[in-house]
Amino acid sequence: GDSVTQMEGPVTLSEEAFLTINCTYTATGYPSLFWYVQYPGEGLQLLLKATKADDKGSNKGFEATYRKETTSFHLEKGSVQVSDSAVYFCALSEGQGAQKLVFGQGTRLTINP
Amino acid sequence: DAGITQSPRHKVTETGTPVTLRCHQTENHRYMYWYRQDPGHGLRLIHYSYGVKDTDKGEVSDGYSVSRSKTEDFLLTLESATSSQTSVYFCATRTSGGDYNEQFFGPGTRLTVL
Repeated sequence: GDSVTQMEGPVTLSEEAFLTINCTYTATGYPSLFWYVQYPGEGLQLLLKATKADDKGSNKGFEATYRKETTSFHLEKGSVQVSDSAVYFCALSEGQGAQKLVFGQGTRLTINP
Repeated sequence: DAGITQSPRHKVTETGTPVTLRCHQTENHRYMYWYRQDPGHGLRLIHYSYGVKDTDKGEVSDGYSVSRSKTEDFLLTLESATSSQTSVYFCATRTSGGDYNEQFFGPGTRLTVL
């Protein structure tokens, strides 16, 4: 079945550092890809998405490009802030109808001032 | 943000007791989902609904049942709680129409089974 693999965490960076969180996927078809973020004590929020190969999703300074050839959707940000500290989830969904999400295991990010 | 509430927000129960978690939405979204979140596993789908009285199983449905008698409410029942069902449970909703629409998540319910 479909699956998503994220880089192991936790990840700790200093403010203004460059961030990369790796995400690769396995899917039988042509999935849509998502990054969700979970701030402490809250539910998940959609951060960005891409629906077809070579699409770039972006939001709040974060970017990810849908790479079909490497089955990857890595999350990047050029200069992180303390407020970016959260857990980040990569996910995919396929097809029409219910569009169930398949999540990676999550990566906890901590940004130190 | 979609208006999604979950109740209770925290619950401690004993092994063998039935437990019902409630998800309530005010957005009239067609699709509703229950996930559980566990360390090292991300979120895994338990059950989902694609309309009133229309439900289906997800990846980890054993030991759980659901019901949806109204558009706004989606109930998750643990028929006889076990310690392996200690987890954080999230409800999500999604509107119909269009492709790859966003799922909106509730704040979660932390369940501890002793």
